[in-house]
Amino acid sequence: EPEVTQTPSHQVTQMGQEVILRCVPISNHLYFYWYRQILGQKVEFLVSFYNNEISEKSEIFDDQFSVERPDGSNFTLKIRSTKLEDSAMYFCASARAESPNQPQHFGDGTRLSIL
Amino acid sequence: GNSVTQMEGPVTLSEEAFLTINCTYTATGYPSLFWYVQYPGEGLQLLLKATKADDKGSNKGFEATYRKETTSFHLEKGSVQVSDSAVYFCALTANAGGTSYGKLTFGQGTILTVHP
Repeated sequence: EPEVTQTPSHQVTQMGQEVILRCVPISNHLYFYWYRQILGQKVEFLVSFYNNEISEKSEIFDDQFSVERPDGSNFTLKIRSTKLEDSAMYFCASARAESPNQPQHFGDGTRLSIL
Repeated sequence: GNSVTQMEGPVTLSEEAFLTINCTYTATGYPSLFWYVQYPGEGLQLLLKATKADDKGSNKGFEATYRKETTSFHLEKGSVQVSDSAVYFCALTANAGGTSYGKLTFGQGTILTVHP
């Protein structure tokens, strides 16, 4: 069964550095999402992406964050200048359509640790 | 705004015990409701869903019924197995009258441990 893949599985970065988290969505999916889960807290929506543009973003997704689909297969999340509070598990998801009958498929996540 | 509240965990059961994990929600529009499961070291997997009131979602022996009157979507299983040990997330998407279901709003997750 096709799956969403995320790399790396664990990223350790110094505070203030830029980090790029990578995702390869399922190939025939059109809608892409990033979520994050701070340890011990809820999974939170960050951003959704469709037709090469952001369709919705949360309050968390400020100017430090950006997303890109550079080559038609990868979907990346960039954090420009990381802060300690960015430490979390980041999940990528994709869906064929925005419908309950086409649910979102999640990757295994990238654990981001900011030192 | 939309929100999902799950029962506090962790939940520890013996094999073959009955499981209930409570989930209640608040939402604008007409929410669709989901249970996702996360096995150790893996991502979130859709377990079951229900898209309108009184629908029952079911999969792998798990069931949940969409109760609009109590705004609930409790997860149940009649006889749990050790392999059911995982984190369970209740979630919703809310169509506020349009056609987009978009983002998922999650509960805090409930850790289930099943002992032999």
